[in-house]
Amino acid sequence: AQKITQTQPGMFVQEKEAVTLDCTYDTSDPSYGLFWYKQPSSGEMIFLIYQGSYDQQNATEGRYSLNFQKARKSANLVISASQLGDSAMYFCAMREGGGTYKYIFGTGTRLKVLA
Amino acid sequence: GAGVSQSPRYKVAKRGQDVALRCDPISGHVSLFWYQQALGQGPEFLTYFQNEAQLDKSGLPSDRFFAERPEGSVSTLKIQRTQQEDSAVYLCASSLAKGVFRVEYFGPGTRLTVT
Repeated sequence: AQKITQTQPGMFVQEKEAVTLDCTYDTSDPSYGLFWYKQPSSGEMIFLIYQGSYDQQNATEGRYSLNFQKARKSANLVISASQLGDSAMYFCAMREGGGTYKYIFGTGTRLKVLA
Repeated sequence: GAGVSQSPRYKVAKRGQDVALRCDPISGHVSLFWYQQALGQGPEFLTYFQNEAQLDKSGLPSDRFFAERPEGSVSTLKIQRTQQEDSAVYLCASSLAKGVFRVEYFGPGTRLTVT
């Protein structure tokens, strides 16, 4: 079974509008972290935002917020006031407790912001 | 401040050649990860170091892949007798410490093309 699922291969959004990128996860571990990364065409993975499984409030970082619904096992990324520079691939990742603490990534969503 | 650096950024190898990919993590970062990212996919875990100890190499696809971090800082990923299926971007990431809630910071990656 997929541990991290991103069902939107591609998304379009108009500049200055908000957009939600979906991510669902699967784990039985009570301790886990959920992370979002942006990968522009240059290839570098840029950390955006993080949510811990015990966090009571949704994480926010500037224009990024994470809509964390624990019961539904979803961790959607919301980008407000989209900018042309937001066009990139976006990856959701999870790290479970115990062991290596390695990331498990989804397949990504390609976001295109339209002028 | 210096981030994670990787060299070379691009490498073209003929099938059967050996290659060595270098990663310089952020100074003081204890944990170091290598990931392989095939075209159009999310990164996949290869191996993990805590200081100089390689604690998990379960993601290495074959015994042609070897990684080391002898002094607990710089790491080298070596691929022997390269094959076409090894063509991918190899990403290195580091984090301050081991833990579920630690953020990993990625380097720009090395794009390996095997011809």
